[in-house]
Amino acid sequence: KAGVTQTPRYLIKTRGQQVTLSCSPISGHRSVSWYQQTPGQGLQFLFEYFSETQRNKGNFPGRFSGRQFSNSRSEMNVSTLELGDSALYLCASSLTGTQVTQYFGPGTRLLVL
Amino acid sequence: DQQVKQNSPSLSVQEGRISILNCDYTNSMFDYFLWYKKYPAEGPTFLISISSIKDKNEDGRFTVFLNKSAKHLSLHIVPSQPGDSAVYFCAASLGNQFYFGTGTSLTVIP
Repeated sequence: KAGVTQTPRYLIKTRGQQVTLSCSPISGHRSVSWYQQTPGQGLQFLFEYFSETQRNKGNFPGRFSGRQFSNSRSEMNVSTLELGDSALYLCASSLTGTQVTQYFGPGTRLLVL
Repeated sequence: DQQVKQNSPSLSVQEGRISILNCDYTNSMFDYFLWYKKYPAEGPTFLISISSIKDKNEDGRFTVFLNKSAKHLSLHIVPSQPGDSAVYFCAASLGNQFYFGTGTSLTVIP
């Protein structure tokens, strides 16, 4: 099976712009979670989607949003970008979200100038 | 508030010796604990997990120990190999939400 794929892999934006990141889970996986990784902060949970519904949300401002499509692909959107949004954004998939094991994609490296 | 903490940002170990990576947590309701390994430019990959009702789980060279009274878990790698050099994240789950530590960078010296 193909692994989790994320596009684009690298992105450069300027402050105030908005960005959309995409994640395609492993075939058959219905749960997709998004994380932000910054130096010194580890992986911070953003949100989790299952069957097109957001089930959990982390402690991030409303500028961060997401959605999931019927084929389980997910997108994450950040509006009004700030310099502090520069990070590696990772998505992870699992069958139902209740499994212990999540499978991560390679991430999208976002740089905000 | 960081519910899962890895207080050692880095660790260096000689090849063949034991590597011990530590993790502390604050929430006694966590039901599973996991370790992930991450190489540069790749996403984390699952290594080993332990249920909160157990105190030890072993998989080849990797053993995870859980001390619930101290809210502490550790990952032992024996013997350490140069290919083990990576960043290791511990994580804890509460239902379908996961909390990650900040990572420990392990360097295994040949």
